[in-house]
Amino acid sequence: AQSVTQLGSHVSVSEGALVLLRCNYSSSVPPYLFWYVQYPNQGLQLLLKYTTGATLVKGINGFEAEFKKSETSFHLTKPSAHMSDAAEYFCAVGAYGGSQGNLIFGKGTKLSVKP
Amino acid sequence: DTEVTQTPKHLVMGMTNKKSLKCEQHMGHRAMYWYKQKAKKPPELMFVYSYEKLSINESVPSRFSPECPNSSLLNLHLHALQPEDSALYLCASSQGLAGYNEQFFGPGTRLTVL
Repeated sequence: AQSVTQLGSHVSVSEGALVLLRCNYSSSVPPYLFWYVQYPNQGLQLLLKYTTGATLVKGINGFEAEFKKSETSFHLTKPSAHMSDAAEYFCAVGAYGGSQGNLIFGKGTKLSVKP
Repeated sequence: DTEVTQTPKHLVMGMTNKKSLKCEQHMGHRAMYWYKQKAKKPPELMFVYSYEKLSINESVPSRFSPECPNSSLLNLHLHALQPEDSALYLCASSQGLAGYNEQFFGPGTRLTVL
């Protein structure tokens, strides 16, 4: 079975500081991995995805993530936080087989940005 | 057009009411989804349609009834809901069911059941 674990339900950084949101996955097959962002009272927006190929994936709004098979990780980073980055972030893995169509989400990490 | 639209944005209903949520996409996607999201939780999958046929029903109570009239539209009919059904209902679409297809989400309908 596939699963996603996001370490830290709440991360707080200062404006201009590095953002690091952690995601570890479990999958018996090569995973398809996604990061989504959700602003208050809105739907989810795709930040980036990893399917195959280059392990460093660049997304929107200056975010990037690196797929590390040896560590089963897909951590999200941004060099310099902006106030507008404050939101809920979800890591997800695309399901296989009979559950195709299912996105398996982590529990989410709320990012706060201090001025 | 890379947008998924949902109506209404907000809905308040009593436990005896019948209402419907609507979702529309014009990206040519062949898979569409309904999710339920409670506060401070990730979205929970309810239903998946592929090529206008129900593909996945995650053991959702029968008071929720999905409908896919055509490849662009997805409805969720609501009847005799309970207060615990109050949540944000999200619609999403993707090119297909394969796990590498990203899902595009709508803004959601905030449902309150009194």
